[in-house]
Amino acid sequence: DIQMTQSPSSLSASVGDRVTLTCRASQDISTSLAWFQQKPGKAPKSLIYAASSLQSGVPSKFIGSGSGTDFTLTISSLQPEDFATYYCQQYYRYPWTFGQGTKLEI
Amino acid sequence: EVQLVESGGGLIQPGGSLRLSCAASGFSVSSTYMTWVRQAPGKGLEWVSAIYSGGSSYYADSVKGRFAISRDHSRNTLYLQMNSLRADDTAVYYCARSPREGYPGDYWGQGTLVTVSS
Repeated sequence: DIQMTQSPSSLSASVGDRVTLTCRASQDISTSLAWFQQKPGKAPKSLIYAASSLQSGVPSKFIGSGSGTDFTLTISSLQPEDFATYYCQQYYRYPWTFGQGTKLEI
Repeated sequence: EVQLVESGGGLIQPGGSLRLSCAASGFSVSSTYMTWVRQAPGKGLEWVSAIYSGGSSYYADSVKGRFAISRDHSRNTLYLQMNSLRADDTAVYYCARSPREGYPGDYWGQGTLVTVSS
């Protein structure tokens, strides 16, 4: 199975900051990488697919990049509603796998 | 408007069976790639199963041989039949619709909690 490793596991930031989250795959997954945002007690929300394509309705402050094994999600001008847990997921090969998540805290 | 509503969760004893439903509106489950993802209490996300519009299905190793994904065109509903349930199957189960075959879900249901315990 392809292992996905996210770093850091948690991150403290302030409103207005820009942050970068990292996701690394254990093997080349091309650009078959998605990012999700999840708030407590809620379903995950799709942000990015194909490593850098923004899901419809997602603000452009979320920027995904990378290919192969190394990927990043950059969030600019943090707002209170952006504080959540973020997961990456590879869909290059079954079984699909998620990273363990990065908790973004105020 | 796309909507997904899961149901069928609850408390079940180890070794028991449960069938989860995911009622869809705004699109046809029969012609759409659909997935199930679960999340154990306080843990991360785990992909469980997927079904293509043509009927091909895939499963996580942890559920292969015990779970079965299916759909009903007339009810526009996706199912997850779960047999031989174990304590580590305890989780919130989400269904998701994908915008294209083999892609992760863009719309997700609210989830249904399955608790496996004696």
